Amino acid sequence: NAGVMQNPRHLVRRRGQEARLRCSPVKGHSHVYWYRQLPEEGLKFMVYLQKENIIDESGMPKERFSAEFPKEGPSILRIQQVVRGDSAAYFCASSPQGGPSGHEQYFGPGTRLTVT
Amino acid sequence: AQTVTQSQPEMSVQEAETVTLSCTYDTSESNYYLFWYKQPPSRQMILVIRQEAYKQQNATENRFSVNFQKAAKSFSLKISDSQLGDTAMYFCAFMQYSGTYKYIFGTGTRLKVLA
Repeated sequence: NAGVMQNPRHLVRRRGQEARLRCSPVKGHSHVYWYRQLPEEGLKFMVYLQKENIIDESGMPKERFSAEFPKEGPSILRIQQVVRGDSAAYFCASSPQGGPSGHEQYFGPGTRLTVT
Repeated sequence: AQTVTQSQPEMSVQEAETVTLSCTYDTSESNYYLFWYKQPPSRQMILVIRQEAYKQQNATENRFSVNFQKAAKSFSLKISDSQLGDTAMYFCAFMQYSGTYKYIFGTGTRLKVLA
């Protein structure tokens, strides 16, 4: 089985441009999590989505960031008008269900965003 | 709010020796999961070991084992017979049973295994 797929692996954007990060969860997984890792730091939770629903976006910056997980297709993390501080590695993780029995999250390889 | 603390930013160990990485956490929950993840230079997050808080027995996975002290809120990782391939960042993570099951990560320990 294919694991979590993220693309692109590397993304370079100029300040003010938009960044779109894609995540395809493990086949059959309906729960997706996005995390951000700043240089030399741990991963920080951003948002938790189920198909067509945002469940918890408590870690998302209030402006410029949005996420979706449509009925069909990958989950998308969108960053509008990027700034240098958005440079980071963005990880997607998926789980088969959100409860304790489906607790383990499977991580993708991450997308490294560089804003110039 | 839950917090996870890894107080050792960097550690090194000689090949074939044993090393212990520390992790403490703070929570008012009684049921939760704890994890150790390895992040090599490729940046892929690899699950090393997990522990369910209601289980008293310490988890083990081959050369990796944990010392889970629930009352002290401590969750250390012991790596036996260290190998060069163990060189990586190691992150401790907490997940509570209720709510949205998001992971709370520590800041990581950079482990270097020396030949």
